[in-house]
Amino acid sequence: DTGVSQNPRHKITKRGQNVTFRCDPISEHNRLYWYRQTLGQGPEFLTYFQNEAQLEKSRLLSDRFSAERPKGSFSTLEIQRTEQGDSAMYLCAGKGEGSAFFGQGTRLTVV
Amino acid sequence: KNEVEQSPQNLTAQEGEFITINCSYSVGISALHWLQQHPGGGIVSLFMLSSGKKKHGRLIATINIQEKHSSLHITASHPRDSAVYICAALQGGSEKLVFGKGTKLTVNP
Repeated sequence: DTGVSQNPRHKITKRGQNVTFRCDPISEHNRLYWYRQTLGQGPEFLTYFQNEAQLEKSRLLSDRFSAERPKGSFSTLEIQRTEQGDSAMYLCAGKGEGSAFFGQGTRLTVV
Repeated sequence: KNEVEQSPQNLTAQEGEFITINCSYSVGISALHWLQQHPGGGIVSLFMLSSGKKKHGRLIATINIQEKHSSLHITASHPRDSAVYICAALQGGSEKLVFGKGTKLTVNP
């Protein structure tokens, strides 16, 4: 248990629906990251927060994706109008001054 | 060419063998992470290093900044070490981790 929790663990949704994932990092983690991992690949960076400020966004993050961290604690990642290509594992990581700690991920399947 | 390359992609070993997984990177980095991912997706951070060598139990990680190369070694491997091992480089001047594709390790009893 890394102390970073993600919910839900699994999500199956129909194409075109909106989905929202949540990440709760450890309180000391001022930095929070979202990554996406498809089968057989390493995780790809999506976005990064320092406290409540979203400081970096990948070009992978299309306008259908939005992430928030309103109070600098938990974060949400929303995907609007899901497409089959959005099917992946969405990973969240928190970081203080040391190593990053990853959550278990949310596996999204778009049918 | 990926910015972070790992080898081998797949590795099968017998229990007790010494394991080496290699990682080469082409970007300037401030640190390099070794991560372990079990089936089901959970990722555990094993090491974060920016120079030299770190040891934790049967795991040893080394990095050569000049050669842009890092290795993860597992001594006296055990079936419970079976997992995907991922190398991730923290780009200098950025908070972005660039991941390798991972090395799938299977240790047979």
